[in-house]
Amino acid sequence: QQPVQSPQAVILREGEDAVINCSSSKALYSVHWYRQKHGEAPVFLMILLKGGEQKGHDKISASFNEKKQQSSLYLTASQLSYSGTYFCGTVSIMEGSSNTGKLIFGQGTTLQVKP
Amino acid sequence: DAGITQSPRYKITETGRQVTLMCHQTWSHSYMFWYRQDLGHGLRLIYYSAAADITDKGEVPDGYVVSRSKTENFPLTLESATRSQTSVYFCASSLDRGRIYGYTFGSGTRLTVV
Repeated sequence: QQPVQSPQAVILREGEDAVINCSSSKALYSVHWYRQKHGEAPVFLMILLKGGEQKGHDKISASFNEKKQQSSLYLTASQLSYSGTYFCGTVSIMEGSSNTGKLIFGQGTTLQVKP
Repeated sequence: DAGITQSPRYKITETGRQVTLMCHQTWSHSYMFWYRQDLGHGLRLIYYSAAADITDKGEVPDGYVVSRSKTENFPLTLESATRSQTSVYFCASSLDRGRIYGYTFGSGTRLTVV
């Protein structure tokens, strides 16, 4: 079952912040975040493992609440280059324990940053 | 060149024909995956493989066949193409099943079934 992302689309001005949420009905082993620009392949941003950690690089960070099976991606002081579609991908506890690496993606959140 | 490559980039085929999409990676990654991407559905997992000769079904495996006789290759075959299989297909690989390094995706194959 696919994780659910919200919102479906966001429009920002440069410098504004955004939060993208990812929610699963399954107990999660890990959460991935990827960004895809139009006509290109998805590009890996970061992974969060169960344990409630938070990660980040530059002005993009993420948190993982394993009790709620939720993750959030935070984009701070957005730049034009942040535009694209963001996908979360989840690995369930069962799949994580069996080492399959089976990653199921949400439907994506389209982010548009305007000058 | 090093990396993960898919071929062809574009393919038009007729309903009922068999078509094979190729995926090749040069990193010797154990884990490889096939996804299809359709508007409104995001990326859906078709098949995955944890190693050579080990494959398993994903979310939407019907109508597809995979094989993995060598670590570096993971071809996807549509046995009898249907219009509903018109999509963009992405192959991906991972060194450690995505535990630390994430997945790396190929550039994709845009398949149109007419």
